[in-house]
Amino acid sequence: AQKITQTQPGMFVQEKEAVTLDCTYDTSDPSYGLFWYKQPSSGEMIFLIYQGSYDQQNATEGRYSLNFQKARKSANLVISASQLGDSAMYFCAMREGFTGGGNKLTFGTGTQLKVEL
Amino acid sequence: DGGITQSPKYLFRKEGQNVTLSCEQNLNHDAMYWYRQDPGQGLRLIYYSQIVNDFQKGDIAEGYSVSREKKESFPLTVTSAQKNPTAFYLCASSIGRDSYNEQFFGPGTRLTVL
Repeated sequence: AQKITQTQPGMFVQEKEAVTLDCTYDTSDPSYGLFWYKQPSSGEMIFLIYQGSYDQQNATEGRYSLNFQKARKSANLVISASQLGDSAMYFCAMREGFTGGGNKLTFGTGTQLKVEL
Repeated sequence: DGGITQSPKYLFRKEGQNVTLSCEQNLNHDAMYWYRQDPGQGLRLIYYSQIVNDFQKGDIAEGYSVSREKKESFPLTVTSAQKNPTAFYLCASSIGRDSYNEQFFGPGTRLTVL
């Protein structure tokens, strides 16, 4: 079974609109962390936001927020007021456990977001 | 400026040759990682190192080797045993093993086998 599933290969959004990128995960570990990264066409991965499994509130970072629904095992990224510069590939990733395994991340296959005028 | 550098940006190799990809960081991070990215796929972990002189295999280590002789450096060698080495390779680092530490990535090296 896939540990991280991103079902939207591509998304379009109009400038200034909000967009939600879906991510579901699968783990039996009670301690885990969820990350979202942005990858522009240049290739570099840019960290956006983090949510810990024990965090009581949804994470927010500027225009980025994470809609964390633990029971549904989903961690959707919400980008508000989209900008042209948001056009990129977006990856959801998970880190399981706190000890022994290091800080290894498992990535989804990504969602290509295109912001249009 | 603190960050991660990878060189070269583009690399071409003939079949049967070994090639080494460089990764250097000046962030004073303990942990370093190598990922491979193929078109239409996410990143897959090749090797990681949590401390100098120690490293572990990731999910797709076959055909690759690494060393960690210095904290700042984590070179990756793609050997001739790697059957399909053409890919985009990303190096990353993080402060340590804690789960809330995000990984910082370098700009990547695109390897093409001719």
